[in-house]
Amino acid sequence: GAVVSQHPSWVICKSGTSVKIECRSLDFQATTMFWYRQFPKQSLMLMATSNEGSKATYEQGVEKDKFLINHASLTLSTLTVTSAHPEDSSFYICSARDLGTVYEQYFGPGTRLTVT
Amino acid sequence: KQEVTQIPAALSVPEGENLVLNCSFTDSAIYNLQWFRQDPGKGLTSLLLIQSSQREQTSGRLNASLDKSSGRSTLYIAASQPGDSATYLCAVSDNNDMRFGAGTRLTVKP
Repeated sequence: GAVVSQHPSWVICKSGTSVKIECRSLDFQATTMFWYRQFPKQSLMLMATSNEGSKATYEQGVEKDKFLINHASLTLSTLTVTSAHPEDSSFYICSARDLGTVYEQYFGPGTRLTVT
Repeated sequence: KQEVTQIPAALSVPEGENLVLNCSFTDSAIYNLQWFRQDPGKGLTSLLLIQSSQREQTSGRLNASLDKSSGRSTLYIAASQPGDSATYLCAVSDNNDMRFGAGTRLTVKP
């Protein structure tokens, strides 16, 4: 089956620093990748949709200057949390869409971000 | 904008019971519907994917149905086991993205 990896799996950073999270589709090409955020005991909330080679589309309420998304290749998308604050602490999950399988999305294992 | 609702929010049953989780969505123009399982602090495990043209999918003790016209799906779990304890998420995909319900937190007591 299609595999999506995320790196790192967990990260702790100090308030005010930036953190980059990578999302890779390992055995298929993903023209579209999605970034979700999940707070404790809540569901996944879509943050943004990124298409290879173009700017990401952000959901309402998500600051594009704070959550920088780059989708430079068909297998890699990155999410950079800039000037992180404790309220950014969350579980970030990416997914990749394989158009060859009728819009099925494959999910990464998630990245636990803790901002101290 | 698609809205996905899951009922109940939490469910506790004794081992061996059959149970049904419900999912409803507001826009019937979907490509597929997917049921996931999530253990605490973990990522998502895909359980069943139903394409919009299908009415149900089965995998082992799990059966998921889809009634696109009424905007409903159910996940049936037969002969529940303590290992089934987890949060179950329903998600629908359209041509833009995938939207999730809030989940049903299932506890199966030995």
